[in-house]
Amino acid sequence: NAGVTQTPKFQVLKTGQSMTLQCAQDMNHNSMYWYRQDPGMGLRLIYYSASEGTTDKGEVPNGYNVSRLNKREFSLRLESAAPSQTSVYFCASNRDRGETQYFGPGTRLLVL
Amino acid sequence: RKEVEQDPGPFNVPEGATVAFNCTYSNSASQSFFWYRQDCRKEPKLLMSVYSSGNEDGRFTAQLNRASQYISLLIRDSKLSDSATYLCVVNPSLGNAGKSTFGDGTTLTVKP
Repeated sequence: NAGVTQTPKFQVLKTGQSMTLQCAQDMNHNSMYWYRQDPGMGLRLIYYSASEGTTDKGEVPNGYNVSRLNKREFSLRLESAAPSQTSVYFCASNRDRGETQYFGPGTRLLVL
Repeated sequence: RKEVEQDPGPFNVPEGATVAFNCTYSNSASQSFFWYRQDCRKEPKLLMSVYSSGNEDGRFTAQLNRASQYISLLIRDSKLSDSATYLCVVNPSLGNAGKSTFGDGTTLTVKP
């Protein structure tokens, strides 16, 4: 039982490059989330998926897209990376809204 | 005004001290509340849920005050290993799926 896994752990991009961050959970959770955390700051919700087949914008969705591929997997795509997207990205999941969220180990992204 | 506010600290306390953090929230219809712990450069992990009647887990006590719209975390007999950032999480009323709000965190450093 791995919980929430994320790949890659680290990534360096040049401005304008694209990439997809992968997230998977093996807890049969319905809801999944993508957050970013900038140095010394709190978590900000980018996108979430309340259930398979649905996605919704969070607080800071601009510059990102998501796909809920199936119940297990929720990916985050940066189409044209910008230095302002340098951050640590956390994926999380929970059984249902309002319940405890379980986080992946994070992806550290540097955009030059 | 932020939906969830925490005193960022840092709180610097000696080993064995008792320390308390508060977290205020603005949405009176909020349904569930949690405290998470985040170690440096790691993912947030659930510390404890916060119940209306208050709850205790060893040296940690969490309380909810709905009338004044705040939750609190009390740590007794602080250990060096308690040094971390503590995040409060407030979950919305039903119908606002997924939009949990995290506080920016309170940093605690326990010194020998």
